[in-house]
Amino acid sequence: DGGITQSPKYLFRKEGQNVTLSCEQNLNHDAMYWYRQDPGQGLRLIYYSQIVNDFQKGDIAEGYSVSREKKESFPLTVTSAQKNPTAFYLCASSIPIGQGARTEAFFGQGTRLTVV
Amino acid sequence: KQEVTQIPAALSVPEGENLVLNCSFTDSAIYNLQWFRQDPGKGLTSLLLIQSSQREQTSGRLNASLDKSSGRSTLYIAASQPGDSATYLCAVRLYNAGNMLTFGGGTRLMVKP
Repeated sequence: DGGITQSPKYLFRKEGQNVTLSCEQNLNHDAMYWYRQDPGQGLRLIYYSQIVNDFQKGDIAEGYSVSREKKESFPLTVTSAQKNPTAFYLCASSIPIGQGARTEAFFGQGTRLTVV
Repeated sequence: KQEVTQIPAALSVPEGENLVLNCSFTDSAIYNLQWFRQDPGKGLTSLLLIQSSQREQTSGRLNASLDKSSGRSTLYIAASQPGDSATYLCAVRLYNAGNMLTFGGGTRLMVKP
């Protein structure tokens, strides 16, 4: 089945630790995104990538880092510099504008990160 | 900067009612608009995608309309069912914003049996 897989589903982080959230897609999409969702709020963009080996900061990139070494994978690292990391993290992918008419975004099932 | 607003923030209706969810956006230079459904603790499921050149899209009991010039979209749900209870999010993609989606805050819908 084609889709986006995020792991783990739940993640606990101790103060001062870096943790990495995994996102893998088999949809052959060039564009991938990371969003953060806080309770009762909409989604805010952390980072996005339109092609392998390239990525840009979104609205709330401070305290986060990403890599895009493979088309299928876009891992997100939450560093110790992120002061309030407890949130629900969502990964998405799509065809970029210009590659086709239907640039529909698809999302994974999310990772809930809690600081303990 | 694009801002997306969804009204109402929460809605509770009895089963069987037809209902309308609203989404407004400030920059009309959109490429497309997408409606999503989110169940508690889950990811987003795409419901409907409307290209900027389209006026509406339909899928089953769902109908989404787009009025780009006025910066508005509506999601119409016919004959609501308890299984429709979820949060509904709209998101817009601009031509000149690197393919990103900008989301509204969502409408939390509860359909009572």
